[in-house]
Amino acid sequence: DTAVSQTPKYLVTQMGNDKSIKCEQNLGHDTMYWYKQDSKKFLKIMFSYNNKELIINETVPNRFSPKSPDKAHLNLHINSLELGDSAVYFCASSQLYSNTGELFFGEGSRLTVL
Amino acid sequence: AQSVAQPEDQVNVAEGNPLTVKCTYSVSGNPYLFWYVQYPNRGLQFLLKYITGDNLVKGSYGFEAEFNKSQTSFHLKKPSALVSDSALYFCAVRDGWSNTGKLIFGQGTTLQVKP
Repeated sequence: DTAVSQTPKYLVTQMGNDKSIKCEQNLGHDTMYWYKQDSKKFLKIMFSYNNKELIINETVPNRFSPKSPDKAHLNLHINSLELGDSAVYFCASSQLYSNTGELFFGEGSRLTVL
Repeated sequence: AQSVAQPEDQVNVAEGNPLTVKCTYSVSGNPYLFWYVQYPNRGLQFLLKYITGDNLVKGSYGFEAEFNKSQTSFHLKKPSALVSDSALYFCAVRDGWSNTGKLIFGQGTTLQVKP
């Protein structure tokens, strides 16, 4: 049973297109995150939702729009894709006010913009 | 502001030798510290964490890490490396006063264990 699942795993598209990545967690967590891993493997947080409420919104272009229909799902929609958006996008979840705090990650969605 | 530094891009060790992957951090409040491992084309897997208590924490696959408050360090260690330990390792920090749960990651250290 996959704890944090993302779809699609691979996405190849042209510049200017709009695409979405979906994430679902079955851990019962109340908080979900999107991280971007660039070509140098550097991980940077983009967004976080707690119980469907946006709690982290880093300096990300407004072409990126997260949506959380419920606390088990967090989707990422990207408009007008650019070459620099090529990266691996990781979804993660956690229980915000637990005494553990670790994040559980999905397997990643590799986006290639041509 | 939170930050994490992993000073080595790559660490090379021979199988059976001890390994250390270094990490230093900076936070305003109490540090929650984590180590993750990433195998090629995979997600990040949690190895261990320090929240409070004993400075030496033990985690998965025989790894351990030592929290050193005075040196603001949280180095990852293993007494005897395996070839299968070869992967990318990330140190991460969360500010214990934070109400967002945000983890800030270091730049990663590639561990190469040679037979």
